[in-house]
Amino acid sequence: GESVGLHLPTLSVQEGDNSIINCAYSNSASDYFIWYKQESGKGPQFIIDIRSNMDKRQGQRVTVLLNKTVKHLSLQIAATQPGDSAVYFCAESAGTALIFGKGTTLSVSS
Amino acid sequence: DAGVTQSPTHLIKTRGQHVTLRCSPISGHKSVSWYQQVLGQGPQFIFQYYEKEERGRGNFPDRFSARQFPNYSSELNVNALLLGDSALYLCASSLDGYQETQYFGPGTRLLVL
Repeated sequence: GESVGLHLPTLSVQEGDNSIINCAYSNSASDYFIWYKQESGKGPQFIIDIRSNMDKRQGQRVTVLLNKTVKHLSLQIAATQPGDSAVYFCAESAGTALIFGKGTTLSVSS
Repeated sequence: DAGVTQSPTHLIKTRGQHVTLRCSPISGHKSVSWYQQVLGQGPQFIFQYYEKEERGRGNFPDRFSARQFPNYSSELNVNALLLGDSALYLCASSLDGYQETQYFGPGTRLLVL
């Protein structure tokens, strides 16, 4: 079946470091991908998205990279802050449904 | 602008009961999707509605049903509750729901005893 997964369940970094969160997807026909951040007790919050006709997209302190050859997606967070501590999910758009992986918990220590 | 709103925030039910969860999308959005998130996992797609019509359904039993109203708000209904239905139920809204960003509400936390 189709699935989107993350490589690491947890990532611990120091404040000010750059963070990289990885994700592998299985459906080569997928052409829209989203990164969400979910804090405890809250719903997922949109961070950044990318379509399959792009390799890279930048936002404020965040960059998403898409490698269609190996079906890999990554989220880079620059100068990570304690407020970035949360669970991060990548999601694949298969038409109407978003397919989520299990998530990576990012812990930022100051 | 108000984001996606959901009610109630928390709910406790017993096995066999019925539950109705409600969602109001972002103003101007015509599509509402429902997801179930079990603790420790990513959200799982249940339904999507667009212009009051069901446009997508995930792998959930017939005990789960939903509808969308003319004002684009939506209800998720779950009958004959099981312990395994305990989860965070998330509503997401989008302009038309097809391969575009879906914005999530805070969720309804359902506990089935």
